[in-house]
Amino acid sequence: AQSVAQPEDQVNVAEGNPLTVKCTYSVSGNPYLFWYVQYPNRGLQFLLKYITGDNLVKGSYGFEAEFNKSQTSFHLKKPSALVSDSALYFCAVRGMNTGFQKLVFGTGTRLLVSP
Amino acid sequence: DVKVTQSSRYLVKRTGEKVFLECVQDMDHENMFWYRQDPGLGLRLIYFSYDVKMKEKGDIPEGYSVSREKKERFSLILESASTNQTSMYLCASSLRGTAGKRTDTQYFGPGTRLTVL
Repeated sequence: AQSVAQPEDQVNVAEGNPLTVKCTYSVSGNPYLFWYVQYPNRGLQFLLKYITGDNLVKGSYGFEAEFNKSQTSFHLKKPSALVSDSALYFCAVRGMNTGFQKLVFGTGTRLLVSP
Repeated sequence: DVKVTQSSRYLVKRTGEKVFLECVQDMDHENMFWYRQDPGLGLRLIYFSYDVKMKEKGDIPEGYSVSREKKERFSLILESASTNQTSMYLCASSLRGTAGKRTDTQYFGPGTRLTVL
């Protein structure tokens, strides 16, 4: 069975500092990995994904994520946080061997960037 | 850009009412999904569809049904609404792609916040 863990309910960071939002996964076979962001009272917006290739994936709004197969992790990072990055972030996974293109989502991590 | 729209942003219904949530996508996507989002539980898949008139149960289908009569439209139906169905409902769509060229990226609508009294 596929699963995703986001161990932190909330991450606090000061504006201008680097941020990391953690995600670990469990799938059979190779994973497809995704990050989504949700602003208040909005749907989810796609940020970035890892399918294959380079372990460092760059996405929207200056975010990037690093795929680490040995640690089964896909942490989201940004070198310099902005107050406007404050939102709810979801990690999602699909195993390549899964017959249908369903994603399994984590429970979400709230990022709070203080001025 | 992919656009996924949902018929209502906010909806208030009474226990026992039949509720219809509509979702429309404009990018000719084969796959469509209905999720509910609850604090601390993340997104949970209710139903999905990979083609017109095709539907599959997700992880929490009890109390819900769906309809997909046209490719662009996927409806979620609460046959008899209950208070435990108060939640945020999110619709998503994705392109099926072909073997070796799957994208799996799901695009979401703005959500419908349903309150059942």
